[in-house]
Amino acid sequence: RKEVEQDPGPFNVPEGATVAFNCTYSNSASQSFFWYRQDCRKEPKLLMSVYSSGNEDGRFTAQLNRASQYISLLIRDSKLSDSATYLCVVNGYGNKLVFGAGTILRVKS
Amino acid sequence: NAGVMQNPRHLVRRRGQEARLRCSPMKGHSHVYWYRQLPEEGLKFMVYLQKENIIDESGMPKERFSAEFPKEGPSILRIQQVVRGDSAAYFCASSPGQTNQPQHFGDGTRLSIL
Repeated sequence: RKEVEQDPGPFNVPEGATVAFNCTYSNSASQSFFWYRQDCRKEPKLLMSVYSSGNEDGRFTAQLNRASQYISLLIRDSKLSDSATYLCVVNGYGNKLVFGAGTILRVKS
Repeated sequence: NAGVMQNPRHLVRRRGQEARLRCSPMKGHSHVYWYRQLPEEGLKFMVYLQKENIIDESGMPKERFSAEFPKEGPSILRIQQVVRGDSAAYFCASSPGQTNQPQHFGDGTRLSIL
C-alpha cells in the first residue's frame, strides 16, 4: 500500500462547479498535512495546511480525519486558473514529506 | 528574491558525465531537502540536510548520488557518471526547521541525459 494515495483523476469540471479531492495516508503517526498544487511540471506550491479542526481559505476548504487517516480538499466556484495537479502531502517522521501522486483538475469554460 | 533559488534551471549532460545541482534556501531557513520527479510520476524524497550535516538520506540511490550543505554556500546535489534514467526534475525545498512547518520549493532543475 502506498503511503499517500490519491485518485489521479482527471476531474473535468465546468467553471463554477464545486469539486472535492480525497486522500488517504497509511502512517498513523503522521504529524502534519498539506495540500500543494503543481502546474505543468513547475515547482509545487503550498496551497494550504490541513488542521484537525478543518480550515478554510477563500474558496478552498481542507479537512482532516485522523481516525480514518483521510484528508480532503473542497474547491468551490471553480475558476479556469484552478486547473492544476493537486498534491496531498503528509509529513511523517523527521520532516520528510511524502507526496501523493496527485489529482489532475481541469476546469473548462 | 527571497525564495528558494536553484540553478541551473536546465542541465544537459552526456552519459558518464557529472551533474551538479545547486540550491540556496530561503532567507532564514536552515533545512534543505531534495526531491526528484521522474516524468509522469510524483515527487520522491531524496535527502534532508542541515548545515554541514546529512539528517536523512534514505531516499538517495546507493551509488553515484551525493549531497552536501556546507557551512558557506549553497547545497549541492551531485550525480556522478550519469545515466539516461537520471533524467528528471530535481526540486529543492527549505524550511525553518521546526517540525510541522511546510516546505517551500525552488523552481527545480530539469536534468536531461543524452
